[in-house]
Amino acid sequence: GAGVSQTPSNKVTEKGKYVELRCDPISGHTALYWYRQSLGQGPEFLIYFQGTGAADDSGLPNDRFFAVRPEGSVSTLKIQRTERGDSAVYLCASSYTPWDTDTQYFGPGTRLTVL
Amino acid sequence: KQEVTQIPAALSVPEGENLVLNCSFTDSAIYNLQWFRQDPGKGLTSLLLIQSSQREQTSGRLNASLDKSSGRSTLYIAASQPGDSATYLCAAISSGSARQLTFGSGTQLTVLP
Repeated sequence: GAGVSQTPSNKVTEKGKYVELRCDPISGHTALYWYRQSLGQGPEFLIYFQGTGAADDSGLPNDRFFAVRPEGSVSTLKIQRTERGDSAVYLCASSYTPWDTDTQYFGPGTRLTVL
Repeated sequence: KQEVTQIPAALSVPEGENLVLNCSFTDSAIYNLQWFRQDPGKGLTSLLLIQSSQREQTSGRLNASLDKSSGRSTLYIAASQPGDSATYLCAAISSGSARQLTFGSGTQLTVLP
């Protein structure tokens, strides 16, 4: 079946602009996660949704970052007033349940470049 | 706060060699530990998941072990092939941290033909 998909695959924007990154999880998966990966580093957790609600947003770096999942499926990560330090690959993952026995399946990521 | 470390950062081996990748974590109170593979410009592919009650998991030529008391996990790759070349990441889910994975920085593996 289809895996996790993310759009766009690449996004180039100018400093100060607003961007939206989209994630389509695997159908039927209730848990959805956003991570950010800088060059040469492992991914860092941003936010986790169970259904429509954000169960843990402790990884969001500041209030310029916001994410929604209004219908419990597709999620959008929104970044306001982008800064050059926001440049990274943004990864989305989903799992059937949030239980620790369940693997998180990752999408291919969106590479964000802020000029 | 959980910290995950992977050593070495890069490894190059000739084809056919057996090899071990190392992962260490500071907080032994983990729910599970996962090993992932990442190819250049691609997302992460889950290889093995070891639950906290387990000692090891095997899939084909891969074997992952978990020793919570020492805060270590290893990924053993048997009879390495050039197609195994990728970055290997380990990640832990810690108790008290909801469901977030804490990743190491990865080991970049190159298998030479």
